[in-house]
Amino acid sequence: RKEVEQDPGPFNVPEGATVAFNCTYSNSASQSFFWYRQDCRKEPKLLMSVYSSGNEDGRFTAQLNRASQYISLLIRDSKLSDSATYLCVVTPIYNFNKFYFGSGTKLNVKP
Amino acid sequence: GAGVSQTPSNKVTEKGKYVELRCDPISGHTALYWYRQSLGQGPEFLIYFQGTGAADDSGLPNDRFFAVRPEGSVSTLKIQRTERGDSAVYLCASSPVDTGPSEAFFGQGTRLTVV
Repeated sequence: RKEVEQDPGPFNVPEGATVAFNCTYSNSASQSFFWYRQDCRKEPKLLMSVYSSGNEDGRFTAQLNRASQYISLLIRDSKLSDSATYLCVVTPIYNFNKFYFGSGTKLNVKP
Repeated sequence: GAGVSQTPSNKVTEKGKYVELRCDPISGHTALYWYRQSLGQGPEFLIYFQGTGAADDSGLPNDRFFAVRPEGSVSTLKIQRTERGDSAVYLCASSPVDTGPSEAFFGQGTRLTVV
């Protein structure tokens, strides 16, 4: 079983739409959670950390549900520039520097 | 620029050959990571250095893969007797001491193709 699982998509949404992705993780003792963004043929870049209480950064909201072992990313008022692959990242409690990536969810925002 | 630099950006090699992939981390970053990303997949952990030493090499798939960081800065990933299944984008990342993903910056990767 993979450490981190994501729906590969693609999610095709019109500009201005609200879209949400989930990511599930298998190890209940996982320590830290993040969302990364990866543009086509580019390197992954940190989008935001995910805190236990949930957190927001502009149009982006991340939430953690430890009981059900998933994290979510909500994007409001989608922009064309949001088109990318969103990667969920989880670190195990025993090694903060060994982080596991999901396979990513592809988002296409259409005009 | 001051980002993570990886060379070469593309490498095509014949099956059975030896290759070296280089990573120049951000100046002052003591943690360095190697990941491998196959098409349609997320990056897969290979090895993590803290300073000169490999703190965790549990992701290296077999003994054909080896990485060094002799002076605690530049790192080289070495692959012997390459196989077609080694074809992937090899990503390097660096971060300040033990900050993990929250402050990890990735290079643009080396696209390795084994023919």
